[in-house]
Amino acid sequence: QKEVEQNSGPLSVPEGAIASLNCTYSDRGSQSFFWYRQYSGKSPELIMSIYSNGDKEDGRFTAQLNKASQYVSLLIRDSQPSDSATYLCAVNRSNYQLIWGAGTKLIIKP
Amino acid sequence: GAVVSQHPSRVICKSGTSVKIECRSLDFQATTMFWYRQFPKQSLMLMATSNEGSKATYEQGVEKDKFLINHASLTLSTLTVTSAHPEDSSFYICSALGQSNANYGYTFGSGTRLTVV
Repeated sequence: QKEVEQNSGPLSVPEGAIASLNCTYSDRGSQSFFWYRQYSGKSPELIMSIYSNGDKEDGRFTAQLNKASQYVSLLIRDSQPSDSATYLCAVNRSNYQLIWGAGTKLIIKP
Repeated sequence: GAVVSQHPSRVICKSGTSVKIECRSLDFQATTMFWYRQFPKQSLMLMATSNEGSKATYEQGVEKDKFLINHASLTLSTLTVTSAHPEDSSFYICSALGQSNANYGYTFGSGTRLTVV
């Protein structure tokens, strides 16, 4: 079992709809969770971070964390073609190293 | 916000030569630098972790004598790929963590596309 798992996709979503990305992790001691967006040929950029159970909203993005079920999700409302990218879930270790999921490719269709 | 400048963005070198990649934190002190490698359509693979003034810690399977990491100051870390071979062609990315990254959302450099011919 991988430490951080994501569905590789591609996930295809119509423009204007809600895109839902999911991630599960195996280490119950994990404390910090991150969503990064990576465009092809570019380095990752931080979208959201979340540390406590529940929802965290930032603009069109909402991160959801459920530590009991060991999953974290990212919702993108009013999806735009520019949201098409690979979304990487990352979970931190106690020594600040990030453990990365393989990423979910998201395609927003106009 | 925190910015990490990575150079060069692209480099093509001949097999057997060495290439140096630099990462500079422009507006914060990077106490820890992570170096990643990413092959096409794959996720990030951590190569090594370096703390300022200390020897880097390499991940299993990464040759420390081939991938030389120097983190001599709080604003500069370098990765040197020695005696590069075509299989070293990849996208190399640095990521810095400093005390100013309060949420531990690391700041990434823009990446270096290395092609060994």
